[in-house]
Amino acid sequence: DAMVIQNPRYQVTQFGKPVTLSCSQTLNHNVMYWYQQKSSQAPKLLFHYYDKDFNNEADTPDNFQSRRPNTSFCFLDIRSPGLGDAAMYLCATSRSRGNTEAFFGQGTRLTVV
Amino acid sequence: AQSVTQLDSQVPVFEEAPVELRCNYSSSVSVYLFWYVQYPNQGLQLLLKYLSGSTLVESINGFEAEFNKSQTSFHLRKPSVHISDTAEYFCAVSGRSSYKLIFGSGTRLLVRP
Repeated sequence: DAMVIQNPRYQVTQFGKPVTLSCSQTLNHNVMYWYQQKSSQAPKLLFHYYDKDFNNEADTPDNFQSRRPNTSFCFLDIRSPGLGDAAMYLCATSRSRGNTEAFFGQGTRLTVV
Repeated sequence: AQSVTQLDSQVPVFEEAPVELRCNYSSSVSVYLFWYVQYPNQGLQLLLKYLSGSTLVESINGFEAEFNKSQTSFHLRKPSVHISDTAEYFCAVSGRSSYKLIFGSGTRLLVRP
């Protein structure tokens, strides 16, 4: 019973070519997150939504954008991928803030060629 | 702001031996603490969490962690590991009124036969 689903699992894109990663959830959670995880590093929060309220981390590059058209779906858009953007991108959800468990998808591994 | 330190990047151990993965945190406010496990090319799964109450928390697969406020630690232990426990383990902290999970850099547990 997949609860947070990320598509695709693996994505190869060309340098500078826009790419979109998708995430859907069946949990009806209010909060959705996007994390970037580079090899052997901790996941780094890019931004999150609380319902429709978008919260960008201060150090997230402008090259990264997000959309949440409804409760179930959230998209990560990379406008002009560079080689340094190659990473695992993790989507997560939680019911609310603080003490609730975050549920993660299996991730999308992005390769930039 | 919160931060998490996992001092050991890799911990090799023989099967059926005990293991401890160390985690220390820093925060100016009360926190919630989590351990997540990540298998290769997978998302993160919650292993256990400390919210309040008993300082010793347990997972269903034999791991336990103890919250020590005076030492600002939340070390993860298992008395006897299995090959299947080989994975990356992330300690994470969240401020009690915060959306954000702040992750440590992770510890790779390598269980050898």
